[in-house]
Order: sequence, then C-alpha cells, then structure tokens
Amino acid sequence: NAGVTQTPKFRILKIGQSMTLQCTQDMNHNYMYWYRQDPGMGLKLIYYSVGAGITDKGEVPNGYNVSRSTTEDFPLRLELAAPSQTSVYFCASSGPGLAGAPSYEQYFGPGTRLTVT
Amino acid sequence: GESVGLHLPTLSVQEGDNSIINCAYSNSASDYFIWYKQESGKGPQFIIDIRSNMDKRQGQRVTVLLNKTVKHLSLQIAATQPGDSAVYFCADGRTGGGNKLTFGTGTQLKVEL
Repeated sequence: NAGVTQTPKFRILKIGQSMTLQCTQDMNHNYMYWYRQDPGMGLKLIYYSVGAGITDKGEVPNGYNVSRSTTEDFPLRLELAAPSQTSVYFCASSGPGLAGAPSYEQYFGPGTRLTVT
Repeated sequence: GESVGLHLPTLSVQEGDNSIINCAYSNSASDYFIWYKQESGKGPQFIIDIRSNMDKRQGQRVTVLLNKTVKHLSLQIAATQPGDSAVYFCADGRTGGGNKLTFGTGTQLKVEL
C-alpha cells in the first residue's frame, strides 16, 4: 500500500491564482482531513470528510474548498490565493481499526509546500 | 478556545539518555491522546496513543503517561538515539464527529552525540 499520497510536492503561486492540491489514500479509510502547518507551529484543521459526499469545516476553512466524490480522493481547492496561505499542507486519513489499530489514528501524507507571492 | 500546548519548544539530550517531552491539554472531554513524530520535510508519524481511561501505556522504547487531574501528558523515550531527533506533537480528540484531532505546537528534540 502506498498509504496517503499528495501532489504536488512544491508549488509557487502568484496572488489571486487558484490551484488544487491532490490527496489520495489506498487504505479504504472513511475519514480524511486537510491540515495546514505554518513554520514552527502545530497543525490546524482546514476541512475534513467522514465519507464520500460528506465534508465539513475545520478550524481554518476560509479561502479553501473541498470535495469528496470517492472514498480514495479528497482534493483541496484554493481560490484567489493570498500570501497568508503560504504554508505546508498535509492530508491525512483514518478508518476502521484494522489489525487492532484505533480508528482515530490518522495517517499522514508527505505534504505540499505552497508559497504565495 | 480549547487548546493543547507544550511546555518546552526545544529539548536537547545526550545519546543514550532518557527523554521526557511534556504536554498540557485543556479539553476535559477528550477521550484519547496521541503522540506524533515529525522528521524534517516529512508528514507526522504516529508513535503511541492512550485512552482517557488509562494512565500509562508502553510501546517499544516509549511510554506515555496521562494525568487527568492536572491535564498533563508526557512522552518518555528510553535510550534516546540520533534517529529520535525530530519534532514531537501531542494531540487530543474525542471519538465521533469525524475523530478530529487538536494538535499542540510541538517540541524539537535534539540528540547530541
């Protein structure tokens, strides 16, 4: 299993541009999450999903949108990029407690480093 | 709002010594707590978790202690190795409602040879 994959790894955007950060998981997890991590800080939840077709806002949703059309994919859309959205973005998933693992254990992707100038 | 915070931003230890990383949490309704390790340029990696009905849990070279009276969590790493150098985050959450986690700001662990 590849686990959680994210593309691209790096991206530079100009102010006002839009882009989609891709996230895919192959663990058949129901729950997926998007976080942002600013330098020297912890992770802040942007959006999350408990299953295909169901999404909800996290702590810092402004300026972002998500969709969940399949179990595997959870893309994050940035509209009208702003310098405040410069950050590292992590996607994560969690699911049923396979092999005794707790369902709340989140598995993270490698991240996308985004710079908006 | 509710938050999970850490006492020290940086911890330096000698190789072979034991490390103790502390965390304070404020949400008394949290029913599980997780420690993650994040190496430079990578995503967080699960280390160990503990449910709120426990006060101690041990893994391979790691032990997590939970003191609900003072809302304090600690991660102990035995015989710290250079590969343990990373940022460590505590997180808390409640079962249900998407199993969302609230993360602290992290502690940088530096292992000196």
